[in-house]
Amino acid sequence: GEDVEQSLFLSVREGDSSVINCTYTDSSSTYLYWYKQEPGAGLQLLTYIFSNMDMKQDQRLTVLLNKKDKHLSLRIADTQTGDSAIYFCAFDRGSTLGRLYFGRGTQLTVWP
Amino acid sequence: KAGVTQTPRYLIKTRGQQVTLSCSPISGHRSVSWYQQTPGQGLQFLFEYFSETQRNKGNFPGRFSGRQFSNSRSEMNVSTLELGDSALYLCASTPGEWETQYFGPGTRLLVL
Repeated sequence: GEDVEQSLFLSVREGDSSVINCTYTDSSSTYLYWYKQEPGAGLQLLTYIFSNMDMKQDQRLTVLLNKKDKHLSLRIADTQTGDSAIYFCAFDRGSTLGRLYFGRGTQLTVWP
Repeated sequence: KAGVTQTPRYLIKTRGQQVTLSCSPISGHRSVSWYQQTPGQGLQFLFEYFSETQRNKGNFPGRFSGRQFSNSRSEMNVSTLELGDSALYLCASTPGEWETQYFGPGTRLLVL
């Protein structure tokens, strides 16, 4: 959607770090999410961050939230070829129960 | 626990027909949301059900409808299919009202 912006493509070499960025306009979210989609599959929840946090680390994944700039990022350390997929950021909104707002997705390609 | 299941996984229909898709949420989950994913529009919210009540509806024509049963299973129906309805239809379930959405593998619908 138009409320969430993501760059469409990212290419990295295996073993490097990947950083996927997302900017948003609405600041009423409670949770902010990162989902992964592999070809022909549904969405896999990777991680999420509560809106009053600045950072969350989960194994190779680090989520950074800059509320002032309305910027969310996902860092994948030691990126592997199996990480090649489309990554979506998503947000809820306090006023709309049960609905997530998604970015257009970033296609991550990892080269061996 | 078994994940979200969707049936059928693949479907081919012709214009003017109608189709029913089914979603079984994770056991114990009470909320089911439906999304349409297309290359052109990305992920778009269709509707959300909680305890058999539709709480939220996206911006889709009345040809798209849904319902939820007492066991939390949900169905969506699309009548008078159009070519543009070709998409991956994803459903997601959550335990309650303000929690993380877990997605199924999707139903890929092709309208000829």
